[in-house]
Amino acid sequence: DAGITQSPRHKVTETGTPVTLRCHQTENHRYMYWYRQDPGHGLRLIHYSYGVKDTDKGEVSDGYSVSRSKTEDFLLTLESATSSQTSVYFCAISDQDTYEQYFGPGTRLTVT
Amino acid sequence: EDKVVQSPLSLVVHEGDTVTLNCSYEVTNFRSLLWYKQEKKAPTFLFMLTSSGIEKKSGRLSSILDKKELFSILNITATQTGDSAVYLCAVGKTSYDKVIFGPGTSLSVIP
Repeated sequence: DAGITQSPRHKVTETGTPVTLRCHQTENHRYMYWYRQDPGHGLRLIHYSYGVKDTDKGEVSDGYSVSRSKTEDFLLTLESATSSQTSVYFCAISDQDTYEQYFGPGTRLTVT
Repeated sequence: EDKVVQSPLSLVVHEGDTVTLNCSYEVTNFRSLLWYKQEKKAPTFLFMLTSSGIEKKSGRLSSILDKKELFSILNITATQTGDSAVYLCAVGKTSYDKVIFGPGTSLSVIP
C-alpha cells in the first residue's frame, strides 16, 4: 500500500471553528489532492497541489484553503466550519509518470 | 463543464452472475480513464485505460475504452460476495493530473 496517512481520522467540531486536516505521504509523489465524499455526489475535488507551494482550486473549494510547505505534507483548512462541510475527506497522491491516484484512509468530519 | 456519468447507480446480482458497469464522459483534455473499487473505506485502483479497443484484464475483471463514443465498461464475471462495493469511474485530464470522478455504481452480490 502507498504510504499515505491522514490525521485526525475522526473529528467532531462546532460551527464556526477552524479545522485543519493533515495528509502525510512517504512516497515522494509530486501531486497531492483533497477530496470530499458525500452520498449522491461521489468524490469531489477540493484543492490539489502539483508541487511544494504550488496549489490550485478544484470544483468545491469555497470555504477551504490548503498549504504545502513540504513534499510530504498537504494541509486542508476549513476557515470557519459549517454543517455543510460535514463529510468524509480523502487525501490522494499520484506520481507524474503513472497518473494512478492512491488514497489515504479518510477523515470523517462532523460539524455540529 | 466536465462530466462523468455512471450507470446503473446501483445493482443487485446473485453470486455467479456476470455484470457490466457503464461509464460515459464529456471531459476536455482527456488523458485517461480510471476505475476504482471502494469497500467502506478508501478507493483502490483497478485499471487505467488510455487507448481505445484494448482490453485490460485482472482475474475476473476486465475493462475497455471507446474514445470515439466516449465511454468505458467494466465487466465482472462469476461474481462473488467479495465483489460487493462501489465502483468508481474517473477521467484524468492532461492539466496537472486533475481527475473527475463519476457518482459510482453500488454493486451488491448476494449468495
